[in-house]
Amino acid sequence: AQKVTQAQTEISVVEKEDVTLDCVYETRDTTYYLFWYKQPPSGELVFLIRRNSFDEQNEISGRYSWNFQKSTSSFNFTITASQVVDSAVYFCALSPNTGFQKLVFGTGTRLLVSP
Amino acid sequence: GAVVSQHPSRVICKSGTSVKIECRSLDFQATTMFWYRQFPKKSLMLMATSNEGSKATYEQGVEKDKFLINHASLTLSTLTVTSAHPEDSSFYICSASSNYGYTFGSGTRLTVV
Repeated sequence: AQKVTQAQTEISVVEKEDVTLDCVYETRDTTYYLFWYKQPPSGELVFLIRRNSFDEQNEISGRYSWNFQKSTSSFNFTITASQVVDSAVYFCALSPNTGFQKLVFGTGTRLLVSP
Repeated sequence: GAVVSQHPSRVICKSGTSVKIECRSLDFQATTMFWYRQFPKKSLMLMATSNEGSKATYEQGVEKDKFLINHASLTLSTLTVTSAHPEDSSFYICSASSNYGYTFGSGTRLTVV
């Protein structure tokens, strides 16, 4: 069975701090996709990144970076120099195999960035 | 990019009435549509998966007679909450699957009074 664990329920930081959101996954599939989504208070899901299981290269996009380690089944997300606008719930998700079958979501981490 | 339009964004209805939520893929063909439900401060729970022209596949514990899903075309899928009750109040969100990945609708906040 597939499972995504986000152990951090809520994180509070002060603006400009760096913050890392953890994501650990379980799957028996040899090929899969991992995702991160942002859900602001308005509710819509904002796509942040998709990572193929074959690609373990870390990725950086502006203040966002992702660390994918198959050895530990982790796909952690770091926000550098956090801003108030980063306040949201962040979900890690797993697609069981390539072909975009149903997504399995983690329970989410609520990030609160204070001025 | 791929867009899924979900309507309505908010709806308030009386107990016992039915509510229809629509999701349209605007610039691509959505071969598969997923419907999720999200309770306050909780994760997204998959309710059902629908493929165009066939019956939806419901997740365990989801009442298929209560949550009717229709996927009659490659660009439109609907979720009808029948005989709504206050416990059906929730945030419902659709997601279309295509060769490019997943595209989510903006969600519908349903309040049953």
